[in-house]
Amino acid sequence: DAGVIQSPRHEVTEMGQEVTLRCKPISGHNSLFWYRQTMMRGLELLIYFNNNVPIDDSGMPEDRFSAKMPNASFSTLKIQPSEPRDSAVYFCASSLMRASYEQYFGPGTRLTVT
Amino acid sequence: GQQVMQIPQYQHVQEGEDFTTYCNSSTTLSNIQWYKQRPGGHPVFLIQLVKSGEVKKQKRLTFQFGEAKKNSSLHITATQTTDVGTYFCAGETSGSRLTFGEGTQLTVNP
Repeated sequence: DAGVIQSPRHEVTEMGQEVTLRCKPISGHNSLFWYRQTMMRGLELLIYFNNNVPIDDSGMPEDRFSAKMPNASFSTLKIQPSEPRDSAVYFCASSLMRASYEQYFGPGTRLTVT
Repeated sequence: GQQVMQIPQYQHVQEGEDFTTYCNSSTTLSNIQWYKQRPGGHPVFLIQLVKSGEVKKQKRLTFQFGEAKKNSSLHITATQTTDVGTYFCAGETSGSRLTFGEGTQLTVNP
C-alpha cells in the first residue's frame, strides 16, 4: 500500500492567491483528517470526514478555508485568499473508521505564503 | 473545550539515559494514542491505550494510562539516537475527536 498521498509536497505562493492541497487516503479507510502544524500552535485538527461527510469542522480557522471530499479516494483543502499566517505544514491523515482508530499520516504539504 | 497538555516541552538526554513524557487531559478520555514524529517527518502511530490503568510495552518503550483515564505517560529506557523526535499524545473524548498534545521534543546526545 502506498500510504496516504499528499500533493504538492511544497507550495510557495504570494499573499492573496488561492492554494489547493490534495490528499488521497489509504484505500478502504473511511475517515479522513486535515491537520495544520506550526511551531506556535502545534498540531491542530482542521476538519474530519467520515464516509465522505464532514463531521467536525470546528477547527477550520475562518471562511477562507474550505475542504471537500467528493469521493472516498480524494479530498482537497483550499485556502482563498491565502495570507502569510497560513504558512504551515498541512497533514492529511486517514483511519479505518473514525478517530478511535490509529491514524496514518501523509508526508505533509509545506506551505509558505509570502 | 478539551485540552491535552504534555510536559516537558523539550528534553535533552545522554544516550543510555531514561526519558519520560507526561500527558494530562482536562476531561476523561475514551482512549489515548501516542505518536512519534521524526525531524522533518510526519507523525507515526505508536500505540493506543483504552483501559483504565492499562500498561503496554514495546521493547524499550512503556506506555501507561491513568486510573482516571485523564493522564498517560511514555517512558523510554536506555535511550538511543534513533529515539530522537517529537512524541505526541492524542486523546479522544466521547465526541470522537482526537486532540493532540503539544508534544515533547527529545534529543539524544551520543
